[in-house]
Amino acid sequence: DTAVSQTPKYLVTQMGNDKSIKCEQNLGHDTMYWYKQDSKKFLKIMFSYNNKELIINETVPNRFSPKSPDKAHLNLHINSLELGDSAVYFCASSPTWAEGYNEQFFGPGTRLTVL
Amino acid sequence: QKEVEQNSGPLSVPEGAIASLNCTYSDRGSQSFFWYRQYSGKSPELIMFIYSNGDKEDGRFTAQLNKASQYVSLLIRDSQPSDSATYLCAVKRNTDKLIFGTGTRLQVFP
Repeated sequence: DTAVSQTPKYLVTQMGNDKSIKCEQNLGHDTMYWYKQDSKKFLKIMFSYNNKELIINETVPNRFSPKSPDKAHLNLHINSLELGDSAVYFCASSPTWAEGYNEQFFGPGTRLTVL
Repeated sequence: QKEVEQNSGPLSVPEGAIASLNCTYSDRGSQSFFWYRQYSGKSPELIMFIYSNGDKEDGRFTAQLNKASQYVSLLIRDSQPSDSATYLCAVKRNTDKLIFGTGTRLQVFP
């Protein structure tokens, strides 16, 4: 009964490769997010989609491209991986974008290591 | 100045004591305030949220908000070793993104 799931859990790859992380939520939420948590535990939003529409696009390199095929899925594709991309990437979802209070439910995270 | 600031810790408290975690924020337009707990190697989970000035209690947890001073705090009464984790403060404007602090690591020792 996983609410927000991500695959893979661990990803080890070489610099320059292209990789994807997948996220799915079965909570019926409208809004999904990608966060990056660096080695100092700083959690920073990268993207947000509301009903498949991009609503937040932070200052993230163009090598990162999110895709939302439907409101239950939000994938993250990363081109030409760099050492600095090594981090834990969390997917999250929330019921809606419009409300002031909006609990976000986080997935288990994907630990990406770029060698 | 960081948008949301927290002391990284670790904050060490004995079992049964009150742990006090503090957070300051820079944006006066912030309207919602959240405390997330993150165990090592796990994902953040929401433990408290608060909108209005004053205190909000939920079990052993009390969130305190002072918008004039731009700070929000979390008190954990009767601290248990299982409370040992990193506590992330997060703030948001009405429909804007959630801005996290870097977290305070809490250690509760028996």
